Amino acid sequence: EVQLVESGGAVVQPGGSLRLACAASGFNFDDYAMHWVRQGPGKGLQWVGLINWDASTTFYIDSVKGRFTISRDSSKNALYLQMHSLRTDDTALYYCAKDNRDGGFDYWGRGTLVTVSS
Amino acid sequence: SYDLIQPPSVSVSPGQTARITCSADALSKQYVYWYQQKPGQAPVLVMYKDTERPSGIPERFSGSTSGTIVTLTISAVQAEDEADFYCLSPDSSGTFWLFGGGTKLTVL
Repeated sequence: EVQLVESGGAVVQPGGSLRLACAASGFNFDDYAMHWVRQGPGKGLQWVGLINWDASTTFYIDSVKGRFTISRDSSKNALYLQMHSLRTDDTALYYCAKDNRDGGFDYWGRGTLVTVSS
Repeated sequence: SYDLIQPPSVSVSPGQTARITCSADALSKQYVYWYQQKPGQAPVLVMYKDTERPSGIPERFSGSTSGTIVTLTISAVQAEDEADFYCLSPDSSGTFWLFGGGTKLTVL
């Protein structure tokens, strides 16, 4: 059974940093790209970025480029989202999602909440 | 810029058919994927590649396309179908992904 479990969410002040993690199990982690998606309070889904299967390529939405970094550790079956210079509009529930061979994302975690507030 | 346009809300009575549309930019039409999100839960994939239904999703859910408009149809709607629905598609390069604004399905 595929499982994705996010952790690391917290309350952080504007300008602060945070690292989120996503523990993956139930599939061959090394074979799949992985994504981060966020959802602000009462808002819709927003794709944040992706990392390809071997960590050689990452892509980000413009609003987080230069502030967020996605990485992965195949030895731990873990995905990470390092966030710097956090802003109040980064406040959201952050999901990790597994890439689907047929496109899109087929499995999601339950999310971890990041609140940026002074 | 590339946008996916969804109606903010759709309302139907139980047993009726709900149709939720996702309109894409003509120059960037790629496959569309649909997610159902119930309150407090993670999104669930209910349709992929416009018209393909994942295993475990009821046959009441179907997808169709007409030009640059992709439609998620839910036949014989049940109270349990009430949720937010999001379409997802990559940009023309297939690299960046975009969600539609979401449609709240209300079962009256």
